[in-house]
Amino acid sequence: NAGVTQTPKFQVLKTGQSMTLQCAQDMNHEYMSWYRQDPGMGLRLIHYSVGAGITDQGEVPNGYNVSRSTTEDFPLRLLSAAPSQTSVYFCASSGGRGSSNEKLFFGSGTQLSVL
Amino acid sequence: RKEVEQDPGPFNVPEGATVAFNCTYSNSASQSFFWYRQDCRKEPKLLMSVYSSGNEDGRFTAQLNRASQYISLLIRDSKLSDSATYLCVVKARGGNKLTFGTGTQLKVEL
Repeated sequence: NAGVTQTPKFQVLKTGQSMTLQCAQDMNHEYMSWYRQDPGMGLRLIHYSVGAGITDQGEVPNGYNVSRSTTEDFPLRLLSAAPSQTSVYFCASSGGRGSSNEKLFFGSGTQLSVL
Repeated sequence: RKEVEQDPGPFNVPEGATVAFNCTYSNSASQSFFWYRQDCRKEPKLLMSVYSSGNEDGRFTAQLNRASQYISLLIRDSKLSDSATYLCVVKARGGNKLTFGTGTQLKVEL
């Protein structure tokens, strides 16, 4: 099993550009989520999904869109990048069938810089 | 007040020492508690869950004090490989949201 695969690892954008961060998991997890991690702020939840076709906002959703068309994939879209979105982004999943949805499995992260 | 608070450290300890971290949480309705470990520039990984009765996993012991709303992590016989940031994580009752603390940095030295 690959676990949670997140791409790209690094990205530099100019202000106003759009892009999609990809996230895929092969553990049949129902719950998937996106976090951003900034110095002194801890991990903050952007959006999450409890299953295909279902998404909801987290703590800091503005400027980001998500969709969940399949169980495996949960892409994060930046609509118009801003310098305030410079951060490290983590995708995480949890909750295979019959198991707790509390243990999060994280992707390896994307370091995004917006100039 | 932050929902989950941790001393950022760093805690610099010699190899073999015992070190303890505390984490306080503000929501009395919090249901589940965890410690995650994060190595530099890597993703967080679950270290252990924290149960009401306290639990131990090898050199690591986690405790929960609901009355004072804090959890603790004790590491005995510290190893160089224990150097990392330890994240306190709290889950509220009836929801999916996990709230992360900002982490406590541990540096174990020779």
